[in-house]
Amino acid sequence: AQTVTQSQPEMSVQEAETVTLSCTYDTSESDYYLFWYKQPPSRQMILVIRQEAYKQQNATENRFSVNFQKAAKSFSLKISDSQLGDAAMYFCACAPLTGTASKLTFGTGTRLQVTL
Amino acid sequence: EPEVTQTPSHQVTQMGQEVILRCVPISNHLYFYWYRQILGQKVEFLVSFYNNEISEKSEIFDDQFSVERPDGSNFTLKIRSTKLEDSAMYFCASSEAWDRLYGYTFGSGTRLTVV
Repeated sequence: AQTVTQSQPEMSVQEAETVTLSCTYDTSESDYYLFWYKQPPSRQMILVIRQEAYKQQNATENRFSVNFQKAAKSFSLKISDSQLGDAAMYFCACAPLTGTASKLTFGTGTRLQVTL
Repeated sequence: EPEVTQTPSHQVTQMGQEVILRCVPISNHLYFYWYRQILGQKVEFLVSFYNNEISEKSEIFDDQFSVERPDGSNFTLKIRSTKLEDSAMYFCASSEAWDRLYGYTFGSGTRLTVV
């Protein structure tokens, strides 16, 4: 069983500034993936970034990067040079690499506001 | 870029009616999923499907729910007798392989409203 916890229901950042969204997780699996998904008002789920747990190097995708602390089971998302289009709900998720299919377990989400 | 297509985008149904939500996964994907998001809440796993059978299902996926892949392209979720609490956004997803999760793609969702 897995749990994902996002302790920040809402965050706010000024345009062009940097913001970090927190996520902690718990899993008994040795191999797993971690994800951040963005959900804009259209409610589509858009993959922002993913991290393979066996990789020590933190994943980066343009302005998005993660701080993956495996021992602490922490997976935070840093958004640099925030833009108005970054405003959305952000969900952290975890999926094991066992079994015949991998399901995602999501956190409760963090609503990010971007102000001028 | 390949997409997962869901229809309809919004469906309104009366309590007790049957609904079928449709999804066209990405063509070379082998694993298919349904998730649900009640308004304002987190996204929850319902069911995974592989090789024409259910791989895993959650507690939410009770006897009122069923899935099938009737023609090799569509992947459907049927709710036999809808309840008010089934009102939610339903997301279909597909992946190429169970360990290729970078290819895990969501559709745009179907908003189901039960009245």
